[in-house]
Amino acid sequence: EDQVTQSPEALRLQEGESSSLNCSYTVSGLRGLFWYRQDPGKGPEFLFTLYSAGEEKEKERLKATLTKKESFLHITAPKPEDSATYLCAVQAGYNTDKLIFGTGTRLQVFP
Amino acid sequence: DVKVTQSSRYLVKRTGEKVFLECVQDMDHENMFWYRQDPGLGLRLIYFSYDVKMKEKGDIPEGYSVSREKKERFSLILESASTNQTSMYLCASSLTESSYNSPLHFGNGTRLTVT
Repeated sequence: EDQVTQSPEALRLQEGESSSLNCSYTVSGLRGLFWYRQDPGKGPEFLFTLYSAGEEKEKERLKATLTKKESFLHITAPKPEDSATYLCAVQAGYNTDKLIFGTGTRLQVFP
Repeated sequence: DVKVTQSSRYLVKRTGEKVFLECVQDMDHENMFWYRQDPGLGLRLIYFSYDVKMKEKGDIPEGYSVSREKKERFSLILESASTNQTSMYLCASSLTESSYNSPLHFGNGTRLTVT
C-alpha cells in the first residue's frame, strides 16, 4: 500500500536554529513529490515539486531534497514567520493523478 | 495569482441536513478537487473533476456528492449530514490534468460542524 510518513510530528526551534523535516514514502512509481506550507486557518500553499532522486530546490531559507526513499525539507536559520505546518505529498503510479498526503510537521520557531 | 474561494469559513449544521459547500476558482483551471482534513489523518480526497459535468470518486466519497455545472465552480454536497462529517473541507484547483507538473492551489477551507 502506498504510504507517506512525516516526522517529527511537531518541532520547536529557537530563531536561527537550523533543522530538517523528513518525509519518507513507500510508493510504486514515484512521479513527483510536493511540499506545501499551511498556516493556521488557511489552505496549504505550494512550495516545491521534486521529480527524481538527487534533485534539490531552494526558496529563501528552505531547501528540499529527494532520495529514492525520502525527502528532507531543510530550514536554515529559521525565523518566527517560518512557523507553520509543512505537508508532504506524493504522486505515484502512471494511471492516477491523485496525491497521497502525509499528516504534516507542525513547526514553531521562537524568537 | 490563482484565487480559490470557498463560500463559507465556518458552518454549523444539524444531523440529517443537506449541506452545500461552494468553491470558485478564477484562473480557468481544468481540474478541481475536494479534500477533508482531520487531525492525524492528513488530507483525504473526496471527489475530483477534470472538466465540466465530469466527476471522479476519490478515496472517501461515501456520504458525499459533487456538482460541476460551470468550469469555475465545484460544489460538494453532503446528502444527509452526520457527526462524523465534522471536519475542515478544502477545495483545490490545478491547471492541467496531471498534477505531475501542475501543483494544487487551495482555498482557505470551510470548517463544518455537524451537531
